[in-house]
Amino acid sequence: AQKITQTQPGMFVQEKEAVTLDCTYDTSDPSYGLFWYKQPSSGEMIFLIYQGSYDQQNATEGRYSLNFQKARKSANLVISASQLGDSAMYFCAMREMGYSTLTFGKGTMLLVSP
Amino acid sequence: GAGVSQTPSNKVTEKGKYVELRCDPISGHTALYWYRQSLGQGPEFLIYFQGTGAADDSGLPNDRFFAVRPEGSVSTLKIQRTERGDSAVYLCASSSGRQGATDTQYFGPGTRLTVL
Repeated sequence: AQKITQTQPGMFVQEKEAVTLDCTYDTSDPSYGLFWYKQPSSGEMIFLIYQGSYDQQNATEGRYSLNFQKARKSANLVISASQLGDSAMYFCAMREMGYSTLTFGKGTMLLVSP
Repeated sequence: GAGVSQTPSNKVTEKGKYVELRCDPISGHTALYWYRQSLGQGPEFLIYFQGTGAADDSGLPNDRFFAVRPEGSVSTLKIQRTERGDSAVYLCASSSGRQGATDTQYFGPGTRLTVL
């Protein structure tokens, strides 16, 4: 079974609007971390935001916030006030306690139009 | 400070040749990871170093792939007898190495390997 599922291959949004990128995960480990990365066309993976499984509040980093619903095993990324420079691939990833590696989803391509 | 760097940025080789890909992690990071990203996919784990030793090499696809980190800093991923299916972007990441799920990995720009 897929550990990380990103069901949206592509998303379109207009500049200045908010957009939500979906991510669901599968783990039986009570302790885990969820990460979102941005990958522009240049190829580098840029860390955006982190949510721990025991965190009581949703993580926020500037225009990025994470809508964490633990019972539903979802960790959706919300980008507020989209900018043209937000156009990129976005990957959701999970790290389970006891493992040092990240498991990634297949990604969502976000295109921001003027 | 400087981020993770990888060289070369692009490598084109012929089937059957040997290649080396280099990764220079963030200074002070004890943990180093190699991932492989095929077109249209997310990165897939290859190998993880804690210091000089390979703590987990379960992602290496076969014995043609090998990686070293002799002094606990720079790492080299080595691929013998390359095959066309090895064509991908090879990403390196480093982290502080502290225990727990919060240890964030920071990635380099990757090496795009093309095997003709």
